[in-house]
Amino acid sequence: GAVVSQHPSRVICKSGTSVKIECRSLDFQATTMFWYRQFPKQSLMLMATSNEGSKATYEQGVEKDKFLINHASLTLSTLTVTSAHPEDSSFYICSAPGRHSYEQYFGPGTRLTVT
Amino acid sequence: GENVEQHPSTLSVQEGDSAVIKCTYSDSASNYFPWYKQELGKGPQLIIDIRSNVGEKKDQRIAVTLNKTAKHFSLHITETQPEDSAVYFCAARGGANFGNEKLTFGTGTRLTIIP
Repeated sequence: GAVVSQHPSRVICKSGTSVKIECRSLDFQATTMFWYRQFPKQSLMLMATSNEGSKATYEQGVEKDKFLINHASLTLSTLTVTSAHPEDSSFYICSAPGRHSYEQYFGPGTRLTVT
Repeated sequence: GENVEQHPSTLSVQEGDSAVIKCTYSDSASNYFPWYKQELGKGPQLIIDIRSNVGEKKDQRIAVTLNKTAKHFSLHITETQPEDSAVYFCAARGGANFGNEKLTFGTGTRLTIIP
């Protein structure tokens, strides 16, 4: 399957600061990538669809000004959590397509802890 | 929109026995159904998928069946091993078979293999 990397794997930040998470599709170019959030013992919740060269599409209830997404190249999408608060603490995971465009491969995730 | 239900939420089986996880979906236009395995602290791993033009697909000890009429699909794991212990998620995607279509996930099944 395709290889998707994320950086950092873990991050601890203070309340009010911003954190950037990178997602890279290492094997295939990705015009579309997805960002998910997962709380403990819950399913994956889609936050937004990252579109290369255009604005991201956010799911209902997700604040676009708080979760900034940039997809400047076909292999890199970034998620910036702005003015983070403890309730933003979660596991953030991105996904990108594989050889077959209908396949989705996930990155290893980023554990964000806001103190 | 699409709604995916997954059962059971937890499943314990003796090592060597088979495990079956079932999902139902609501959108008859859905045409792609992947299964993911997620180990603690890691991103989901695509283990098998099926497209709507086939009824069954097998890969070694893992198989997936699809009943389009009833709108349900199932994951079958035979000869279970301790390393099969994880959380399994089913998902469905509607629309065209393109990577820019989002997946809708089930709520997950925590599978425990008893040695």
